[in-house]
Amino acid sequence: GAGVSQSPRYKVAKRGQDVALRCDPISGHVSLFWYQQALGQGPEFLTYFQNEAQLDKSGLPSDRFFAERPEGSVSTLKIQRTQQEDSAVYLCASSLEGSNQPQHFGDGTRLSIL
Amino acid sequence: GESVGLHLPTLSVQEGDNSIINCAYSNSASDYFIWYKQESGKGPQFIIDIRSNMDKRQGQRVTVLLNKTVKHLSLQIAATQPGDSAVYFCAENRRPGGSYIPTFGRGTSLIVHP
Repeated sequence: GAGVSQSPRYKVAKRGQDVALRCDPISGHVSLFWYQQALGQGPEFLTYFQNEAQLDKSGLPSDRFFAERPEGSVSTLKIQRTQQEDSAVYLCASSLEGSNQPQHFGDGTRLSIL
Repeated sequence: GESVGLHLPTLSVQEGDNSIINCAYSNSASDYFIWYKQESGKGPQFIIDIRSNMDKRQGQRVTVLLNKTVKHLSLQIAATQPGDSAVYFCAENRRPGGSYIPTFGRGTSLIVHP
């Protein structure tokens, strides 16, 4: 079956622009996570949804970052007024139920801010 | 060969050797641990997990060992193959609030020479 799908795979934006990154989780997966991965580092947790409810957003680095999952399936991570330090790979993962289970990751969106 | 995880981020082995990748975790309250494999340009891929009520778990060619006394986790790969070349991350699930939040280590790069 289809895995977690993320789009676009690559995004280049100028500093100050807004960007939106999309995640299609595995069908039926209740939990959805967003991570930020800098070069040479492990993924850093950003936020977590269970169905449409955002249960934890403690990892979002600033109020320029916003995530939503309005119908409990597809999720969008939005970054407003992008800055160069936002350049990273943004990973989405889903799990069948709950956050205490293995997660299935997409291949990420590589965001470059010029 | 053996890696000490964060202090030796690269492990080089010959094809057919056994590999051991180590990871130290920080939170004694963590009760769920996962190993992921990440190839270049891809998202992390689940390998094996272990819960804190166990000290060993085996999969196909992989074994995870958990030592809660010293907060140490290891991944053993038997008969390492070139296709095993990747970065390996351990992740611990912490629960600072209500949800389990996966926290990834920096990772160890495994290079398998034919």
